Amino acid sequence: SQQGEEDPQALSIQEGENATMNCSYKTSINNLQWYRQNSGRGLVHLILIRSNEREKHSGRLRVTLDTSKKSSSLLITASRAADTASYFCATDPTNDYKLSFGAGTTVTVRA
Amino acid sequence: EPEVTQTPSHQVTQMGQEVILRCVPISNHLYFYWYRQILGQKVEFLVSFYNNEISEKSEIFDDQFSVERPDGSNFTLKIRSTKLEDSAMYFCASSEGAGELFFGEGSRLTVL
Repeated sequence: SQQGEEDPQALSIQEGENATMNCSYKTSINNLQWYRQNSGRGLVHLILIRSNEREKHSGRLRVTLDTSKKSSSLLITASRAADTASYFCATDPTNDYKLSFGAGTTVTVRA
Repeated sequence: EPEVTQTPSHQVTQMGQEVILRCVPISNHLYFYWYRQILGQKVEFLVSFYNNEISEKSEIFDDQFSVERPDGSNFTLKIRSTKLEDSAMYFCASSEGAGELFFGEGSRLTVL
């Protein structure tokens, strides 16, 4: 399967702390994307990192990509209660266009 | 800001009935998708659609499923004869091309 797999499945942190989650995948990719989903809502795109990029920042988000290890990480710095959500990585494989999602990491930020 | 809209937000149906879920993608987007998410589980790809035809479909997307773009704005998913295991959130998404997908808020389907 080309799907990303996130780790950990769930994460509970205190407001102000950083949250780190990882994603591993199996085949070569054009890009890897991270999405956020609030409970019962649709998915919202957070950030896209291309296969030739190693790190990308967007506000309090930092994404890394290691294509040799087929892994990515998402770091949320200075977390807020509003960051409570599920976070999914999604891989765009090189041989077709079918964005494949992992099972997600559920992040709970305690006030 | 342009958005993908989906209707209905929730549909309850009896097993064996036909269901049509509707989506209005973002107007200048060319690629359209359906995904589903069974409660608490991963987001699963169903089908992608480009240039008025299916470009890719998953093994979930069997003969009971079909998609259509009946006019210039709507994109529909039809389930011909629903089963209990079709109960899920169905998400429509659209994109300009490779890259970011824009998702709707989903249609919750409950099959009794």
